[in-house]
Amino acid sequence: DGGITQSPKYLFRKEGQNVTLSCEQNLNHDAMYWYRQDPGQGLRLIYYSQIVNDFQKGDIAEGYSVSREKKESFPLTVTSAQKNPTAFYLCASSGGMGNKHFGAGTRLSVL
Amino acid sequence: SQQGEEDPQALSIQEGENATMNCSYKTSINNLQWYRQNSGRGLVHLILIRSNEREKHSGRLRVTLDTSKKSSSLLITASRAADTASYFCATDAWDTGRRALTFGSGTRLQVQP
Repeated sequence: DGGITQSPKYLFRKEGQNVTLSCEQNLNHDAMYWYRQDPGQGLRLIYYSQIVNDFQKGDIAEGYSVSREKKESFPLTVTSAQKNPTAFYLCASSGGMGNKHFGAGTRLSVL
Repeated sequence: SQQGEEDPQALSIQEGENATMNCSYKTSINNLQWYRQNSGRGLVHLILIRSNEREKHSGRLRVTLDTSKKSSSLLITASRAADTASYFCATDAWDTGRRALTFGSGTRLQVQP
């Protein structure tokens, strides 16, 4: 949605497995974000990156990892240390105006 | 941390009626934003109001901000069935040291045709 592509749309994780969620943007935005949304809840910040090669932990970073090697890409890895990974994951980017552009989301489930 | 809290959690109205959603927050902000989410989809930005603004309009949307009460409201006038969605407020507070929005838990709006 709006220049941000998340893939896959649905993802299944087996016990002990790491999985990576993709987020790509073509908006030339410096800042990118990962949020987690549980059913009927708001969004909680996992990680964010204000610039390439730099990223910061959000409120619920444990069990997750990210990288920001390219401006366009901000992949999120859900590691085996995340014991409750089932959720809807949303990636967003932001230019200088303050508002965020969101992807369509990835729904992660545990097999 | 959930900075913003929306009220009510759920709202059901008839088409043509107005819908009002409220948001309260805890710390100083630079701006407050409202987003819409259709079921199972990403969020869409609706409107941004800066801390030095008190009211803003965009089409059928009217947002107010009262920084003394740390609250905001979103009014959707002449609602349509297509307005059915969840609505979230989000605060942007640069003085926390990070430029990332903090979201509330949302109001689920159902507009009956």
